[in-house]
Amino acid sequence: SQTIHQWPATLVQPVGSPLSLECTVEGTSNPNLYWYRQAAGRGLQLLFYSVGIGQISSEVPQNLSASRPQDRQFILSSKKLLLSDSGFYLCAWSFRDTQYFGPGTRLTVL
Amino acid sequence: AQSVTQPDIHITVSEGASLELRCNYSYGATPYLFWYVQSPGQGLQLLLKYFSGDTLVQGIKGFEAEFKRSQSSFNLRKPSVHWSDAAEYFCAVGVGGGGADGLTFGKGTHLIIQP
Repeated sequence: SQTIHQWPATLVQPVGSPLSLECTVEGTSNPNLYWYRQAAGRGLQLLFYSVGIGQISSEVPQNLSASRPQDRQFILSSKKLLLSDSGFYLCAWSFRDTQYFGPGTRLTVL
Repeated sequence: AQSVTQPDIHITVSEGASLELRCNYSYGATPYLFWYVQSPGQGLQLLLKYFSGDTLVQGIKGFEAEFKRSQSSFNLRKPSVHWSDAAEYFCAVGVGGGGADGLTFGKGTHLIIQP
């Protein structure tokens, strides 16, 4: 069966510091992968999606970037974090038009 | 572009009572519709989905949802709630068709269960 992992589970970072969140999927090959952000009191916002290695589409211009160095690995990065980057970050993969989510990373920027 | 509205931010239901969570969508074609549940600090778990066919769909944990095209709605129901159903519920719409597009989510409904 397929499993999706995210780490770290929680992260507290100062403003201006870099960021790297990792997502990996097991049990499938060439999945579509997604990064969402969930800010307090709001729904989920799609940030990036990827249909293959090195192929990244951005949905919202912002302080973040994404990369897919391997088939089942999706990384969310930032060079300098802003306070507004705080939130709950969710990675997802899709199979037959259905998306399945990872456990998430809680990011607090101070 | 598609959109999703969940009109109820919070709903309080007594344990054992029935539940209905509302979801309205806006999309030009037949959408792919989903309900997800999120417990505090956790990821999203898929409850059920509608792509086509029978407009009443059954999901996990005793939930069901009905697609009503005329009302652009996809309301979630459960005949008898349990304390463990307390969580955040999200309705989402997708374009489908095998593309890579992400989902558009509503802002969620927070379900509180009273003993």
